[in-house]
Amino acid sequence: EVQLLESGGGLVQPGGSLRLSCAASGFTFNNYAMSWVRQAPGKGLEWVSSISDSGDTTPYADSVRGRFTISRDNSKNTLYLQMNSLTAEDTAMYFCAKCASTCQHQNFQHWGQGTLVTVSS
Amino acid sequence: IQLTQSPSSLSASVGDRVTISCRASQGISSYLAWYQQKPGKAPRLLIYAASTLQSGVPPRFSGSGSGTDFTLTISSLQPEDSATYYCQKLSSYPLTFGGGTKVDIK
Repeated sequence: EVQLLESGGGLVQPGGSLRLSCAASGFTFNNYAMSWVRQAPGKGLEWVSSISDSGDTTPYADSVRGRFTISRDNSKNTLYLQMNSLTAEDTAMYFCAKCASTCQHQNFQHWGQGTLVTVSS
Repeated sequence: IQLTQSPSSLSASVGDRVTISCRASQGISSYLAWYQQKPGKAPRLLIYAASTLQSGVPPRFSGSGSGTDFTLTISSLQPEDSATYYCQKLSSYPLTFGGGTKVDIK
């Protein structure tokens, strides 16, 4: 059974940093691309970033490019999202998602339960 | 490329046929998925490649369309279908989601 467990969320001040993790199990992690998707309170879904199975392709949404960095450690079956220069607009539930092989041209097949990030002074 | 879902919300009775539209501002072939999200839960994949039913999803859900116009249909609405539904384009980055359609049961 595929399991995705996000962690690392919490309260952070504007301008601060946070690193999210997503521990994966139940599948061969290094064979699948992964993604982060966020959802601001009461709002819709927003794609944040994806990473290829090898980690060499990392597209970002315009809203986070230059501030967020997606990465993965295939030896630890873990996906990361390093978030810097955080603003109130980054307040959201952050979901990790397993793509069906690639993300582009495929789909987000499995999702974690999310970790909440709140940016506030 | 923008995705526009309509309506933004609807209310229907158990057993009704429900259709949700997703329109892309440019052609995206059949690179479209549909997700269901219930309050406080993660999204769930329903349909991919515009019309392929994900394993385990009830057959009352179906998807159609290609190019710019897509439809999610629930053939006979059930109480457990009360949720928000999102389309997502997967043709190219960014992998944008539609704004969502909230479905309530009368």
